[in-house]
Amino acid sequence: QLQLQESGPGLVKPSETLSLTCTVSGGSISSSTYYWGWIRQPPGKGLEWIGCVHSSGSTYANPSLKSRLTMSVDTSYNQFSLRLSSVTAADTAIYFCARLVTWFRAVDLWGQGALGTVSS
Amino acid sequence: QSALTQPASVSGAPGQSITISCTGTSSDVGGYNYVSWYQQLPGTAPKLIIYDVSDRPSGVSNRFSGSKSGNTASLTISGLQAEDEADYYCSSYRRGDTLVFGGGTKLTVL
Repeated sequence: QLQLQESGPGLVKPSETLSLTCTVSGGSISSSTYYWGWIRQPPGKGLEWIGCVHSSGSTYANPSLKSRLTMSVDTSYNQFSLRLSSVTAADTAIYFCARLVTWFRAVDLWGQGALGTVSS
Repeated sequence: QSALTQPASVSGAPGQSITISCTGTSSDVGGYNYVSWYQQLPGTAPKLIIYDVSDRPSGVSNRFSGSKSGNTASLTISGLQAEDEADYYCSSYRRGDTLVFGGGTKLTVL
């Protein structure tokens, strides 16, 4: 059974870069059927799509975050990553890595989530 | 980007049916049959319960059903049970290769 697991620093200072990695186990990240993405949820609030990456390297991003966002995939390690630069307190959230069915039809698999806190 | 519009809360008694609406535009909900719904229990990751407007993933109860009319999609839960109490989110593909979520609806089982 395929599983997703987020990892990365839980605490980041304002203006710095939040970096997260998602490790895929129990299956290959190289399937053309899926995109690999990130969704966040500020404490007590709703879900926000951040963006996603395909194993080919193609990326798709939320327009409101695009200028600060870098996403990549490493098929050798079955991982994909997120870097969000110039963070502020508004970026404090639970960050979920997820699998999206093409073409953005649904998010059919979610990681457990990792809390990313922006604070000095 | 603007979110899809959902009611903040709905409630119903055990055994009853409830419907949650999700309103977008012709650039998302109304223009594509790529609407999905998620159930989020407290402290857990969301779980997919409806995709492609009205299809259920394997293992999801047939008490959950989805539909769409124009720019509004709907999730109906029939035979309400205490275990259905959760937050529900809709999402849709949006023109321009993005995904957008609704603001979420808290379901209370009375």
